Amino acid sequence: DTGVSQDPRHKITKRGQNVTFRCDPISEHNRLYWYRQTLGQGPEFLTYFQNEAQLEKSRLLSDRFSAERPKGSFSTLEIQRTEQGDSAMYLCASSPTWGATNEKLFFGSGTQLSVL
Amino acid sequence: KNEVEQSPQNLTAQEGEFITINCSYSVGISALHWLQQHPGGGIVSLFMLSSGKKKHGRLIATINIQEKHSSLHITASHPRDSAVYICAVHSGNTGKLIFGQGTTLQVKP
Repeated sequence: DTGVSQDPRHKITKRGQNVTFRCDPISEHNRLYWYRQTLGQGPEFLTYFQNEAQLEKSRLLSDRFSAERPKGSFSTLEIQRTEQGDSAMYLCASSPTWGATNEKLFFGSGTQLSVL
Repeated sequence: KNEVEQSPQNLTAQEGEFITINCSYSVGISALHWLQQHPGGGIVSLFMLSSGKKKHGRLIATINIQEKHSSLHITASHPRDSAVYICAVHSGNTGKLIFGQGTTLQVKP
């Protein structure tokens, strides 16, 4: 399967702990996006990368959130000192280089975070 | 007011009915996506539009850039079409996506 993969699928953690999620995009895709989705809501934009460059970061992201894509391939999203309000599904998506004529988004299955 | 608004929020239809889901946006966009999310499932991209109309099977998506409006139509709806349909726009010439709140569709046999 060469789709977008995310790891882990589920993460349960205690408040105050740090967590890290990984996303492996489709190999030839230059753009990588992170979103967060809570039950009954549409996804909220968190950040995105063009290759290794982080081009934009949502105001929703506090200083406790950081994302990297060091070699322009996989990406990690770290949440430090987790809070119960961080509980959500964290989604990753990738797409080809912007401007491609048939650019679609490809989503991973997400990482469900539960902060106790 | 959200930058991307969908209507209706919830929709129940009988099998075979023609369905329309609407999306209005208030920002300048370079493209619009229609996405499908089944309960407990991942998100699948249905269409990306920058102008005009696209068709895939029983699904048709249209966009009117001047009116800042897009519609997703489902012809001959089927219970397996039951899902959340999400409209998302690429803001301006950046890659940032802004999502609508989604439309929950239930098609009854």
